Amino acid sequence: EVKLEESGGGLVQPGGSMKLSCVASGFTFSNYWMNWVRQSPEKGLEWVAEIRLKSNNYATHYAESVKGRFTISRDDSKSSVYLQMNNLRAEDTGIYYCTRTTTVGYFDVWGAGTTVTVSS
Amino acid sequence: DIKMTQSPSSMYASLGERVTITCKASQDINSYLSWFQQKPGKSPKTLIYRANRLVDGVPSRFSGSGSGQDYSLTISSLEYEDMGIYYCLQYDEFPLTFGAGTKLELK
Repeated sequence: EVKLEESGGGLVQPGGSMKLSCVASGFTFSNYWMNWVRQSPEKGLEWVAEIRLKSNNYATHYAESVKGRFTISRDDSKSSVYLQMNNLRAEDTGIYYCTRTTTVGYFDVWGAGTTVTVSS
Repeated sequence: DIKMTQSPSSMYASLGERVTITCKASQDINSYLSWFQQKPGKSPKTLIYRANRLVDGVPSRFSGSGSGQDYSLTISSLEYEDMGIYYCLQYDEFPLTFGAGTKLELK
């Protein structure tokens, strides 16, 4: 069974840091791009970041709202993708989903999500 | 950024009814459009990619169409399990952008 499982969410103060993890199973992780998408009542679904394959030199792309604060990375040996989030703001609050992304760019599998709350 | 204008924002429909949801992009997105269904408390589920290609396992009553800036998702005969919120996503260029969603409820 193809599965993505996020972890690492929780409560953090504004200005703090948090690292999300997403572990994949049931498929050859190294063959897929991976994305993080977040959801909040205020903004709906919002794309956050993408990382491509080793053959693409692990190229990354970011939403402007997180550029310079968030870093997406992957460890193919652990079938995992990560999102390091620094200098967190209240508007970063939401459910964070990792998604498997085919090499033609569409999201085909979603994890269950992990909730991040930025509040003092 | 490409703006995705989805309509309607909400709708009521009857079982067996044909339902159509539309998404208009602010520029040509070359059919790089997906549709997702989300049920309360669950993560989104991908239904359609490349505007009209059905993901494996998705019922054939779902279909997608469109090109250029204009796209639609059609449910040919609404079933109870189809209630939820539907979103479109353009993945033609970064930043990837979603529509605001269409809440589909039973009449």
